[in-house]
Amino acid sequence: DAGITQSPRHKVTETGTPVTLRCHQTENHRYMYWYRQDPGHGLRLIHYSYGVKDTDKGEVSDGYSVSRSKTEDFLLTLESATSSQTSVYFCATIAGEVDTQYFGPGTRLTVL
Amino acid sequence: QKEVEQDPGPLSVPEGAIVSLNCTYSNSAFQYFMWYRQYSRKGPELLMYTYSSGNKEDGRFTAQVDKSSKYISLFIRDSQPSDSATYLCAFENAGNNRKLIWGLGTSLAVNP
Repeated sequence: DAGITQSPRHKVTETGTPVTLRCHQTENHRYMYWYRQDPGHGLRLIHYSYGVKDTDKGEVSDGYSVSRSKTEDFLLTLESATSSQTSVYFCATIAGEVDTQYFGPGTRLTVL
Repeated sequence: QKEVEQDPGPLSVPEGAIVSLNCTYSNSAFQYFMWYRQYSRKGPELLMYTYSSGNKEDGRFTAQVDKSSKYISLFIRDSQPSDSATYLCAFENAGNNRKLIWGLGTSLAVNP
């Protein structure tokens, strides 16, 4: 599982509140990714990081920001949560001999 | 035209059947071809990856790539109820900052 944990695993919040999701990895991987997964849309990349303090946008980055101050932690922040951000969020890293991604267990976020 | 097409199913088969899952793609620059399996309420896990055209076998699973037709397949022999999951294809374009392009996933149910 490439040593990836996500917290919290479940969260219910209200529209307009800030939310931060944490991805933690223990194996010193350089690349980290945040996805959301929704029925009918599959996995969509939100943001990714290719090193400490090096991040870039994915295809659905509006309303999200990220930070990576340490190799092991990649934080995803919803500055002001909206109901459209209700989703399952997955973190992933790259491990192995090719660019295969390994996923965390996911965070189920509900915005009321 | 979408870069990757994958029929979402659902696909329902009896135990012991041979299952064929397919994806088509349009980007001839894709170099690595991957299959992930995702159980309900879990993160995707890498099942197999291939680099070149041809077949790659791992137990009951065979991955097939036809670059000339831009078509990849995953075959499952002697399917088991434990194979019930969503199967996602993924593609890597070298030089794309190690980002993967994902199919929507095919939901498979293997009935005892």
